[in-house]
Amino acid sequence: GQQLNQSPQSMFIQEGEDVSMNCTSSSIFNTWLWYKQDPGEGPVLLIALYKAGELTSNGRLTAQFGITRKDSFLNISASIPSDVGIYFCAGPPGHGSQGNLIFGKGTKLSVKP
Amino acid sequence: DTGVSQDPRHKITKRGQNVTFRCDPISEHNRLYWYRQTLGQGPEFLTYFQNEAQLEKSRLLSDRFSAERPKGSFSTLEIQRTEQGDSAMYLCASGGRANTEAFFGQGTRLTVV
Repeated sequence: GQQLNQSPQSMFIQEGEDVSMNCTSSSIFNTWLWYKQDPGEGPVLLIALYKAGELTSNGRLTAQFGITRKDSFLNISASIPSDVGIYFCAGPPGHGSQGNLIFGKGTKLSVKP
Repeated sequence: DTGVSQDPRHKITKRGQNVTFRCDPISEHNRLYWYRQTLGQGPEFLTYFQNEAQLEKSRLLSDRFSAERPKGSFSTLEIQRTEQGDSAMYLCASGGRANTEAFFGQGTRLTVV
């Protein structure tokens, strides 16, 4: 089946640093969604992308829908401690799907010790 | 409306017992999803409703699992004869007609002992 691969699996941030992560697939996606999940909570939708090449911002977060439609990128500028958490990409798996979403395994952001 | 609501937040049950979880979606959202999430993984799709119709079920949804959405509003997920492998976070999400965005509840953490 279709899979979403997220990179990196984990990363450490220092306050004020910019952060980049990506999500790739071997199949084309028509929508990319980025979520953030805090421990013990459900994922929270951050950004939705609907068009190849689209660049969308939400505060310090910027996400891009890759031109090939097989990847997406999320950037966080000037990170703050509350950015810590797990970031997931997700998308509808294409033809034959009635609307469910598949998720990557996440990129875990932690604070540098 | 404050978002997707799930009840209970936590459930501890003995192996072999039946459990039922409830999800109240965002008002007027016609799409409702159930997902399961284990530690270190992204949410995995279980089943999808559009209004009261269950349109899609994952292979993960064994015969011991059943979901209903009788009036197209709230939904229940029942697990019969629970096994230790059922221990996970069960997440509900809902979405409107306009796009494929899905908004998650806080989840029900199930522990089977």
